[in-house]
Amino acid sequence: DAMVIQNPRYQVTQFGKPVTLSCSQTLNHNVMYWYQQKSSQAPKLLFHYYDKDFNNEADTPDNFQSRRPNTSFCFLDIRSPGLGDAAMYLCATSRGQQNIQYFGAGTRLSVL
Amino acid sequence: AQSVTQLGSHVSVSEGALVLLRCNYSSSVPPYLFWYVQYPNQGLQLLLKYTTGATLVKGINGFEAEFKKSETSFHLTKPSAHMSDAAEYFCAVRSYNFNKFYFGSGTKLNVKP
Repeated sequence: DAMVIQNPRYQVTQFGKPVTLSCSQTLNHNVMYWYQQKSSQAPKLLFHYYDKDFNNEADTPDNFQSRRPNTSFCFLDIRSPGLGDAAMYLCATSRGQQNIQYFGAGTRLSVL
Repeated sequence: AQSVTQLGSHVSVSEGALVLLRCNYSSSVPPYLFWYVQYPNQGLQLLLKYTTGATLVKGINGFEAEFKKSETSFHLTKPSAHMSDAAEYFCAVRSYNFNKFYFGSGTKLNVKP
């Protein structure tokens, strides 16, 4: 059974139209991460939550926001998607100081 | 600061041949090291990890990696490639403040029949 679930798997949006990607987990992990992965590149960390504490990467554009209403759910909001935001978005979780991150299958975002 | 370098963005081997994917890291503290595999349009799946103890680590699907501190390396190997091993492989190091993982740029493994 999937433990980190991302919906939808494929998302198409229009240039400038806000879009939200969702991630849920059944692992009860306290840390959740959002990565952006462009074709043939490494996943790039956008931000992560440690419990309710939000940690933004210094180079994450303001266009990207996140919400974590509870332990199980985390959302990635892109306020005004540009063509350069088309990518795979990966959600991951980990438990505190444990070393393993568990990844969802990702959401592939297309911007028209 | 931590960083990871994967040498070779593409590696091609014949089925049954040795697989060697290279990873070098930079870390100011003892590193925790990982290899992940990613199949097309999928998330990342953990293959193996090194934290402490034995420097030769065995993972899933017959893969193993050896932590060599003197060489700052953590190369991934498999004695005999299978067609199903064709995927992209990422090496990662965990930062000292444990919440952040730094990934290499990935190596795409192609397995020829």
